[in-house]
Amino acid sequence: DAGVTQSPTHLIKTRGQQVTLRCSPKSGHDTVSWYQQALGQGPQFIFQYYEEEERQRGNFPDRFSGHQFPNYSSELNVNALLLGDSALYLCASSLRTGDYGYTFGSGTRLTVV
Amino acid sequence: QKEVEQNSGPLSVPEGAIASLNCTYSDRVSQSFFWYRQYSGKSPELIMSIYSNGDKEDGRFTAQLNKASQYVSLLIRDSQPSDSATYLCAVTKSFKLTFGKGITLSVRP
Repeated sequence: DAGVTQSPTHLIKTRGQQVTLRCSPKSGHDTVSWYQQALGQGPQFIFQYYEEEERQRGNFPDRFSGHQFPNYSSELNVNALLLGDSALYLCASSLRTGDYGYTFGSGTRLTVV
Repeated sequence: QKEVEQNSGPLSVPEGAIASLNCTYSDRVSQSFFWYRQYSGKSPELIMSIYSNGDKEDGRFTAQLNKASQYVSLLIRDSQPSDSATYLCAVTKSFKLTFGKGITLSVRP
């Protein structure tokens, strides 16, 4: 049973560039949430996708956008990268309500230079 | 007031001791409660979930929930050096999972 798969694992980008991160959810899960985790902090909620729609959004600027595909996989796009966007980006999948817990992928470490 | 607060830490205990980790949350309508363990450089791993008032035990781990006090805790009995990690408290409300900042636990051999 495949867990949550994220790609790439590491990425280095230059300020002002754009980046796309990818996530395949755990088998049987239909909801994907994205989180940003800075060093020494808990994961911060970016947004959540269900039925190919953004269902909820955290306090992140419009430079952060996403998409969910019919097979439930998802992408996170970040435009006009800033140094402060350097972080571990985590994808978590769940069932619709999330009541039975969220399963996390191994994350993408993004470094903006 | 933050939605989920974990103010104590870092925590250091000797091997074999009980480690007690605490968490409070601000929204009374929070629905489900979780403890995640995160090793350095890795992603969070779910170790306990609790949905109703009281205690829930799983091996060396016990989660305690008190909705009236808006308080959830995690006890780790017979702590092992392999338990050294950051422990994240998380709650759900309206499908969204919100985390505290985490408590770093160090178990001394």
